Amino acid sequence: TAGITQAPTSQILAAGRSMTLRCTQDMRHNAMYWYRQDLGLGLRLIHYSNTAGTTGKGEVPDGYSVSRANTDDFPLTLASAVPSQTSVYFCASSDPAGGSFDQPQHFGDGTRLSIL
Amino acid sequence: AQTVTQSQPEMSVQEAETVTLSCTYDTSENNYYLFWYKQPPSRQMILVIRQEAYKQQNATENRFSVNFQKAAKSFSLKISDSQLGDTAMYFCAFMSSTSGTYKYIFGTGTRLKVLA
Repeated sequence: TAGITQAPTSQILAAGRSMTLRCTQDMRHNAMYWYRQDLGLGLRLIHYSNTAGTTGKGEVPDGYSVSRANTDDFPLTLASAVPSQTSVYFCASSDPAGGSFDQPQHFGDGTRLSIL
Repeated sequence: AQTVTQSQPEMSVQEAETVTLSCTYDTSENNYYLFWYKQPPSRQMILVIRQEAYKQQNATENRFSVNFQKAAKSFSLKISDSQLGDTAMYFCAFMSSTSGTYKYIFGTGTRLKVLA
């Protein structure tokens, strides 16, 4: 089934360790996004990528980095995890540049990350 | 900067009744799109309905409809004949394009509980 795959589903990580959350889509969407979801705060954009080879900062980029080497993959890296990065992380994709402007985002199933 | 406000953190409705979730937004742009997403306990993000700002006619999808008031910057979601499966977190989202960057802004969500 076409869509977005995130891995791992959940992870417990010691503070100070590094971690890469994986995101792969098979819809050939141009744009991809990483959000974190926290209670009472909704979804906040961490980083985004309009096309392969480009990335941009969202609302809460500090402590995170991304890369977009190809169309399908958009990994999110925490170089040195801190407890405040405990959250549920969602990857999403859309294709506004390749199709009509009204394309909604397609979401992965999320990664629950706990930093201890 | 665009903002999206959902002023109702939690709501409940009796099964088969109608409920309206509110959403307001702030933008200086004229061309944009609005979405409602549903997030059930399974954590998936599911698109419920979308609305193009240039269309005056309110979007409808089966039991879901919107009341889009562009001048008031209001985008409420009406759920008719509520079902137990409608129990979920509902997010309002705004999407526009600025300098070729497509960004989605999410509200903080409304938790809806449908009561048997």
